[in-house]
Amino acid sequence: EAGVTQFPSHSVIEKGQTVTLRCDPISGHDNLYWYRRVMGKEIKFLLHFVKESKQDESGMPNNRFLAERTGGTYSTLKVQPAELEDSGVYFCASSQESRWGLNTEAFFGQGTRLTVV
Amino acid sequence: GIQVEQSPPDLILQEGANSTLRCNFSDSVNNLQWFHQNPWGQLINLFYIPSGTKQNGRLSATTVATERYSLLYISSSQTTDSGVYFCAVVAGGTSYGKLTFGQGTILTVHP
Repeated sequence: EAGVTQFPSHSVIEKGQTVTLRCDPISGHDNLYWYRRVMGKEIKFLLHFVKESKQDESGMPNNRFLAERTGGTYSTLKVQPAELEDSGVYFCASSQESRWGLNTEAFFGQGTRLTVV
Repeated sequence: GIQVEQSPPDLILQEGANSTLRCNFSDSVNNLQWFHQNPWGQLINLFYIPSGTKQNGRLSATTVATERYSLLYISSSQTTDSGVYFCAVVAGGTSYGKLTFGQGTILTVHP
């Protein structure tokens, strides 16, 4: 079974440009999460989808970030326009539907390393 | 929000040595996971362990939820164990799996 897949693995863009990151979750996983790690700090939550619906986007830094999950399958995270402080590693994770109020194990992709110059 | 602290921040070992990594959290949790970030940056699942003890080969983990800590044991360490170890929790009362990460322990195993 394929794991969580992210594209691209690396991206270098200039300040002001637009970048779109893609995440393909594990098949059948309703929950999809985006996280990022900047400048060696902690990995921080950005947002959470259940199927195609955004459940929590409290971690999104500002309105330059837009996440979508078309048809409840893959997700994209667009940064427009990119700023220097957006550099970091963006992780995607997925998990099965929570059952009986219990959270299920999350599996992470390999991350996309974004560098804004 | 919940706070997660890992110790030690850095650990240097000789191959074959044993080690214990600690994760303290400030509130009740619904979920706790340990990850190993390999040199290529990928987060590898080690344990899903909201409570109790689990073992997988040379690695084992124990979570004492009532005392708000978890321990990761690495025995007979190998150079391939090097990397960053993260503890991450889902705060109690959260109905979905939003993880809060610790800052990580950087492990270096020398041959």
